[in-house]
Amino acid sequence: EGQLVQSGGGLIQPGGSLRLSCAAYGFSVTNSFMGWVRQAPEKGLEWVGDLYNNGDTYYIESVKGRFTISRDNSKNTLFLQMSNLRVEDTAVYFCAKETTWHYDVWGQGTAVIVSS
Amino acid sequence: EIVLTQSPATLSLSPGERATLSCRAGRSVTRYLNWYQQKPGQAPRLLIYEAFKRATGVPSRFSGRGSGTDFTLIITSLEPEDFALYYCQQRTSWPTFGQGTKLEI
Repeated sequence: EGQLVQSGGGLIQPGGSLRLSCAAYGFSVTNSFMGWVRQAPEKGLEWVGDLYNNGDTYYIESVKGRFTISRDNSKNTLFLQMSNLRVEDTAVYFCAKETTWHYDVWGQGTAVIVSS
Repeated sequence: EIVLTQSPATLSLSPGERATLSCRAGRSVTRYLNWYQQKPGQAPRLLIYEAFKRATGVPSRFSGRGSGTDFTLIITSLEPEDFALYYCQQRTSWPTFGQGTKLEI
């Protein structure tokens, strides 16, 4: 089934940029549908975006033009590049593998705090 | 966007009892409805996919039913480790999640 190990995150000022990483073990990121889901403090889960195996990307409206999902095939790693960060982007971010329309493998999560 | 409404928001039960959690979709999601369990400080864990299919390693006391707009997650004979947050998620269109049901003792 595999495993996802996340890194990155931290405290960043509004307007700043940050990159999250998600290393995959036991399966190929290139051949998989991969996604990012976030959870604001004391809130529910919110889909952020997906990267399909064909390279297509899709995002929730509120992050379009600010967030970019990409992958490094040689490192078998997924990335979430976040720019022009807003206070409302504060959340724990999870990467996940999607198999036939359900997320079956999740990373451990990494916290992003946007504050001045 | 397909809105998912979960009920109740909080469900108070005791170990050994049966739990019934509901998820209603704003429009039909056919069978593409998934259920996740989340414990504090942890990532969500897939329990049920495509309405009724149990994920690998999920105990048989967890079951799902429904189609279209109305779905149910049933946990028969609650174990202490089952007390957690539960989310439904649809995948007919861009993924959306319900607001969650907290299952507490």
